[in-house]
Amino acid sequence: EPEVTQTPSHQVTQMGQEVILRCVPISNHLYFYWYRQILGQKVEFLVSFYNNEISEKSEIFDDQFSVERPDGSNFTLKIRSTKLEDSAMYFCASRLLAGGHEQFFGPGTRLTVL
Amino acid sequence: AQSVTQLGSHVSVSEGALVLLRCNYSSSVPPYLFWYVQYPNQGLQLLLKYTSAATLVKGINGFEAEFKKSETSFHLTKPSAHMSDAAEYFCAVSLNQAGTALIFGKGTTLSVSS
Repeated sequence: EPEVTQTPSHQVTQMGQEVILRCVPISNHLYFYWYRQILGQKVEFLVSFYNNEISEKSEIFDDQFSVERPDGSNFTLKIRSTKLEDSAMYFCASRLLAGGHEQFFGPGTRLTVL
Repeated sequence: AQSVTQLGSHVSVSEGALVLLRCNYSSSVPPYLFWYVQYPNQGLQLLLKYTSAATLVKGINGFEAEFKKSETSFHLTKPSAHMSDAAEYFCAVSLNQAGTALIFGKGTTLSVSS
């Protein structure tokens, strides 16, 4: 069964460093998402991406964040200068354009900022 | 703006007992509603979804949920709990439009004892 994959599973970085989180969405999906979950809190929407551009973003997704689909399979989230409060689990999701509104989630990347 | 409230951050049941996880939503337009489950160290898996068809929705693993517009509720039930149901459960809402972000509740941790 097709699934969304994410790498790495755990990333540790120093405050102020840049990180790139990688996702491979399901191959025929056209909408891509990033969510995050700070420990003990709810899952929060960051950004959605369709047709090579951002279609929606939340207040959390400020200038420190960017997304890219560098090739036909990967979808990345870059944090330019990490802060302690960026420590969280980051989930990638994808969905078909049509045929229902289910988003398929990856297993997540746990980001720890020291 | 939409929001989701899950009553009870932690629910404990005995194996074989009824499972009831509560979810209330707020939305200015007819919503799509979802229940996701998260097992330890895994991503979010869709249990079931309501997309304006039948109000009683059946999902995987014997779970079902009923959409009640008058009560703005979408509670998740299972007649008989199994040990393998122990996980975190998230209720989510999205607008009835393509590509829209999911807004999640804070989650309910279900414990099942033998």
